[in-house]
Amino acid sequence: DTAVSQTPKYLVTQMGNDKSIKCEQNLGHDTMYWYKQDSKKFLKIMFSYNNKELIINETVPNRFSPKSPDKAHLNLHINSLELGDSAVYFCASSQDGPGEQYFGPGTRLTVT
Amino acid sequence: AQSVSQHNHHVILSEAASLELGCNYSYGGTVNLFWYVQYPGQHLQLLLKYFSGDPLVKGIKGFEAEFIKSKFSFNLRKPSVQWSDTAEYFCAVISLTGGFKTIFGAGTRLFVKA
Repeated sequence: DTAVSQTPKYLVTQMGNDKSIKCEQNLGHDTMYWYKQDSKKFLKIMFSYNNKELIINETVPNRFSPKSPDKAHLNLHINSLELGDSAVYFCASSQDGPGEQYFGPGTRLTVT
Repeated sequence: AQSVSQHNHHVILSEAASLELGCNYSYGGTVNLFWYVQYPGQHLQLLLKYFSGDPLVKGIKGFEAEFIKSKFSFNLRKPSVQWSDTAEYFCAVISLTGGFKTIFGAGTRLFVKA
């Protein structure tokens, strides 16, 4: 009964490829997020969705496209992967915008 | 620009030592404040939070934090650390005006020597 799950856990791919990371939460939360954690452990928000609607879109290259088919799912698609995209990507959810967030286990993306 | 600063990037302590990790933020308005912990190889978990009321909040595993509004600070404390507290600690701030964006500090890596 994992609260926030992500697949895959590890993703190794070559530059130029397109890949997707899936996220699902079973907490009934309204808001979901994607974060990028770089090699220095710095966490930066990328996107936030509330009830399938995009509410935060940070300065992220448009190669990154989030998709929320329903409020329990927020997937991240990345086109034309670059070396600098290598990081751990965390999905999170919260009941509402200003509340505590529940994080998924992370997806370690390595671009070679 | 809005920011969150954690003053200590790496902290090494012996077991039973006291811990204080600093966190300062630059928002001018009302905020919600959080400390999250990331144990090695695990995802982030909430340690404690402050929304309003008593500025001294208690969290899990004996941690506490004090919100000092005049100093824009939310420092994390624990009177006696254990080896199992070895982890990365993140302070996070959500401004209640302007879209509820969460800003994380850069994190503090704590290593507790047994």
